[in-house]
Amino acid sequence: LAKTTQPISMDSYEGQEVNITCSHNNIATNDYITWYQQFPSQGPRFIIQGYKTKVTNEVASLFIPADRKSSTLSLPRVSLSDTAVYYCLVGDWDSSYKLIFGSGTRLLVRP
Amino acid sequence: DTAVSQTPKYLVTQMGNDKSIKCEQNLGHDTMYWYKQDSKKFLKIMFSYNNKELIINETVPNRFSPKSPDKAHLNLHINSLELGDSAVYFCASSPRDRGEQFFGPGTRLTVL
Repeated sequence: LAKTTQPISMDSYEGQEVNITCSHNNIATNDYITWYQQFPSQGPRFIIQGYKTKVTNEVASLFIPADRKSSTLSLPRVSLSDTAVYYCLVGDWDSSYKLIFGSGTRLLVRP
Repeated sequence: DTAVSQTPKYLVTQMGNDKSIKCEQNLGHDTMYWYKQDSKKFLKIMFSYNNKELIINETVPNRFSPKSPDKAHLNLHINSLELGDSAVYFCASSPRDRGEQFFGPGTRLTVL
C-alpha cells in the first residue's frame, strides 16, 4: 500500500507561495496522486491530480519528480481563505478500497 | 443545486441501535464511496460501489453495509452501534474510478 507522509502543519502569510510536499516512497505503477482541501465541518474538495511531471490548473500546481516517490502541491499567492487541511492521496484506482488519505497538512495563512 | 447530499447532518444514538445514513448524488456519476473520518481527522475509505461491484475495505466491520437502491443513491446501514463508531461519515462520488471525487457535507455520528 502506498502510504503517504506530509508535514503536520505549515504557516504562511497572505500573498506568499506555499509548497506542501508529500512523500509516497512505495507508490505503485498504477497509482495517481491527488490532493484535496478540507475546511472545518466540510467534506474534502478536489484540488488537483497528476501522474508524473507537472500539472497546473486555475487553483494550484502539482510537481512530481521522475521517480514519483514524492509530490509537491504549490499554491500561488495564498489568501486567508486558503487556511485549511490539505490531504495527499495516492490512489490504486483498480483497487479503490485501498485508497489511503495521508494525515493531512494543516495550513494556516496569516494576514 | 447540491451535488452530493447526505442526511442527517447530525445523528446521536445509543449503543446497540441500528441506524442509516442516506446519500444522494445528482451528478450522474457511476461510482460512489463511503469514508469515515475519526477524531484524529484520518480519512479512511470504507466502501466503493459502482453499478458493477461493491468493493469493501476489509478492515470495516460487517455491521456496516452499503445499500444502493439506484445509481444515484448509496445509503450506509450500521447495526449494533458501538462507541467507536462515533465519527464523521462522508459520502462521495466520482465519474469513474480514476478521477476526482466529490464529497458530501458529512454526517456526524455520536454513539452514547
